[in-house]
Amino acid sequence: NAGVTQTPKFRILKIGQSMTLQCAQDMNHNYMYWYRQDPGMGLKLIYYSVGAGITDKGEVPNGYNVSRSTTEDFPLRLELAAPSQTSVYFCASSDRTGKGEYTGELFFGEGSRLTVL
Amino acid sequence: AQSVTQPDIHITVSEGASLELRCNYSYGATPYLFWYVQSPGQGLQLLLKYFSGDTLVQGIKGFEAEFKRSQSSFNLRKPSVHWSDAAEYFCAVGPKGGYQKVTFGTGTKLQVIP
Repeated sequence: NAGVTQTPKFRILKIGQSMTLQCAQDMNHNYMYWYRQDPGMGLKLIYYSVGAGITDKGEVPNGYNVSRSTTEDFPLRLELAAPSQTSVYFCASSDRTGKGEYTGELFFGEGSRLTVL
Repeated sequence: AQSVTQPDIHITVSEGASLELRCNYSYGATPYLFWYVQSPGQGLQLLLKYFSGDTLVQGIKGFEAEFKRSQSSFNLRKPSVHWSDAAEYFCAVGPKGGYQKVTFGTGTKLQVIP
């Protein structure tokens, strides 16, 4: 299984440019997440989705947008890139156990390193 | 609101020495608890998790963690560290029930010296 796949792995943007970070998972997980990781700050939740067609804001949603048209895909869109969005972005997924219990155990992609100059 | 504190930003241990990484959480009830490891340039990998039952949980790579309700702690331990354990370690807390967000600590970077 590929698990969670993110593309691109690296990208440099100019201020004001737009781009989309792609995320796909092949585990049929209902829940998907976008985190950003900054040095010494841990991971901050940007957006999450509990299923196709349903998304919600996390802790740091400003400057980002998401969509969830399928179970597999959860792209993150940066509309007007700013230097403050320089970060490493992680997509993750999770699902309920066989007993229907949500545990919060996350499966991560390898990350996308974005630099905005 | 839930929160996680990892008081040690950076820890250096000698290869073969024992290791303990501290994690304290704040949550209204008993949460789900996790330790993740991140090798340089990689995503996060689950080391172990605590949901309920035995408070001492075993994980991959020889790691274990103990949940202490009275201290709101979930410290990670390893009896003998290997050079390949050098990485950043994150403690995380997730609420029971529902699909609320998981909260991560700020991480502890482990350096292993020969």
